[in-house]
Amino acid sequence: KAGVTQTPRYLIKTRGQQVTLSCSPISGHRSVSWYQQTPGQGLQFLFEYFSETQRNKGNFPGRFSGRQFSNSRSEMNVSTLELGDSALYLCASSLGRTKETQYFGPGTRLLVL
Amino acid sequence: AQTVTQSQPEMSVQEAETVTLSCTYDTSESDYYLFWYKQPPSRQMILVIRQEAYKQQNATENRFSVNFQKAAKSFSLKISDSQLGDAAMYFCAYGGDYKLSFGAGTTVTVRA
Repeated sequence: KAGVTQTPRYLIKTRGQQVTLSCSPISGHRSVSWYQQTPGQGLQFLFEYFSETQRNKGNFPGRFSGRQFSNSRSEMNVSTLELGDSALYLCASSLGRTKETQYFGPGTRLLVL
Repeated sequence: AQTVTQSQPEMSVQEAETVTLSCTYDTSESDYYLFWYKQPPSRQMILVIRQEAYKQQNATENRFSVNFQKAAKSFSLKISDSQLGDAAMYFCAYGGDYKLSFGAGTTVTVRA
């Protein structure tokens, strides 16, 4: 089975721009979660989607948003980019039951200049 | 909110020897899962081992085993017969409802 895929793998943007990251889950997985990893804050949960509905959300400003499509693929969007948004963004998928094991993609490295 | 603490920022081990990574967590729930993930320089997060809180038996996966002490809220990872490929950052994670809470990570260096 193919693993979780994320596109693009690397991205460079400037402050004020917006960015969209994409995640395709493992086939059959209906839940997609997003995490932000930075040297200072570590790994932080952004949000989780299941069947196109957001079930849980972390403590991030409204500039961070996401959605999930009917094929379980998910996108996250960051608007009005700030320097502090530079991070590795990790996507993880699972079957969707509570407390399931999450399997991670390779991540998207975002650099904001 | 659940917090996960890894008190060892770095650990070094000689090849073929054993190293133990510490993790403590705080929760008021009784039903949860705990995980150890490995993140090598490629940054890909790889599941190492999983423990269900309702199971008393400690999980084992080949050279990796855990010591789960539910009352003490402690979840340590033992890597036996360490190999050069074990060098990575290891994260302890608490699995609650639809999210993972991670510790700060422990960097493991393996000396040849």
